[in-house]
Order: sequence, then structure tokens, then C-alpha cells
Amino acid sequence: DSGVTQTPKHLITATGQRVTLRCSPRSGDLSVYWYQQSLDQGLQFLIQYYNGEERAKGNILERFSAQQFPDLHSELNLSSLELGDSALYFCASSVWYSGNEQYFGPGTRLTVT
Amino acid sequence: SQQGEEDPQALSIQEGENATMNCSYKTSINNLQWYRQNSGRGLVHLILIRSNEREKHSGRLRVTLDTSKKSSSLLITASRAADTASYFCATDEGQAGTALIFGKGTTLSVSS
Repeated sequence: DSGVTQTPKHLITATGQRVTLRCSPRSGDLSVYWYQQSLDQGLQFLIQYYNGEERAKGNILERFSAQQFPDLHSELNLSSLELGDSALYFCASSVWYSGNEQYFGPGTRLTVT
Repeated sequence: SQQGEEDPQALSIQEGENATMNCSYKTSINNLQWYRQNSGRGLVHLILIRSNEREKHSGRLRVTLDTSKKSSSLLITASRAADTASYFCATDEGQAGTALIFGKGTTLSVSS
């Protein structure tokens, strides 16, 4: 158990809908990262927050947004969902904003029908 | 974009044998990390090697890093069936930005 929790575990929704994925980092970790894993794209970095502020941005679509709250938990919002958004979404956390190992949550499997 | 590329894509061995996976990357890095993923599960951090280190050990794992060749290898000695998983290398691209860029992974299958 990495200490990173993600909810929900599974999510099935229809195209055009909006969903929110939630992540709680390990106790003491200030950085939260979001990754998307799909068969064709592999593991792609989406966005990172450090102590409440956006730190780095990757291949995140404009339809996706995220935030980190004062208690350091983070939410990833996915809107206007398309079939191609079906994937595993992982949250990871680390103590610092760079140079550290990242601890991954169990992931949320999103299926868009 | 993919920074690291693992080789081979798939590896099948018998229990007790050693497994070697290689990773090549494109840009300068501050560190390189190896992760394991059991099917459909979250990634587990295995080892981090910094750019000024050449070799690192952790239990049955040995990682080497050659920055001149932009490559790394992960050796798992005396493999067990429980080592069956996908293994990914990840780099930080050497920037102040902290995203980990993952390769596509090596799928290791260890049969008893």
C-alpha cells in the first residue's frame, strides 16, 4: 500500500458527460501528479500540483482540469468525455517538487460508453 | 512524448534465471527511476539512480546508468514468479519541471 488513495476505483459514464476523480496523497507529501495510462499512448503525464499551486503541465487536454486543495488532496475534472478518454488515471505524490520517487495510487479506471 | 524506451518489449524466463531490461532516453536527466506495475494495478517505485551515480543495488535489483550513452539497465537476479509484471523506466528530462516521462515498458513473465 503506497499510502495514496484514489476514488472511485471504477467509473462508467457516457460520452459528453463530466466526471471528477479524487486523490489523497501520502501524509506529508506536498506534490500531486496526475497520469493517464492507455494501451495506445502508454503512461502520459497530465499535470502536477505542489502545495496548492500548479507546478508543471503535460499532455493535458483543455477539457481536463485539476486543482489541489488546502488539505492537499487533489481532484481531476474531465468534461465533454469522449470514447478515447477511456483509460486508467493514476495519481501519484512525492515529498518535494522534483528529484524524488513518486508513490502511485491504485488508479481510477474510466470507461466512456 | 516518450522519453525512455525499454528493450525488450517482452521477456519470458524461468524462475531462478536473471532478467535484464534496458532503457534508453533522449535528453539529459537529473535522475532515472524504475517502476513495476502488476496488471492493471498502480505503479510501485523500485529504485532511483541519480545522474552522478553509475550503479545502485536494492535487494535482488541492480540498476546501472550510463549517461554518455543515455541508457540504463535493470537486472533482477534469481527471478521469482511474483516478479511477473511490467517494468518501466522514467526520467525527469533534466529540467526544473518535475514530470516523469515513462517508456512503454517491458513485460516480464516468470514461469515456475
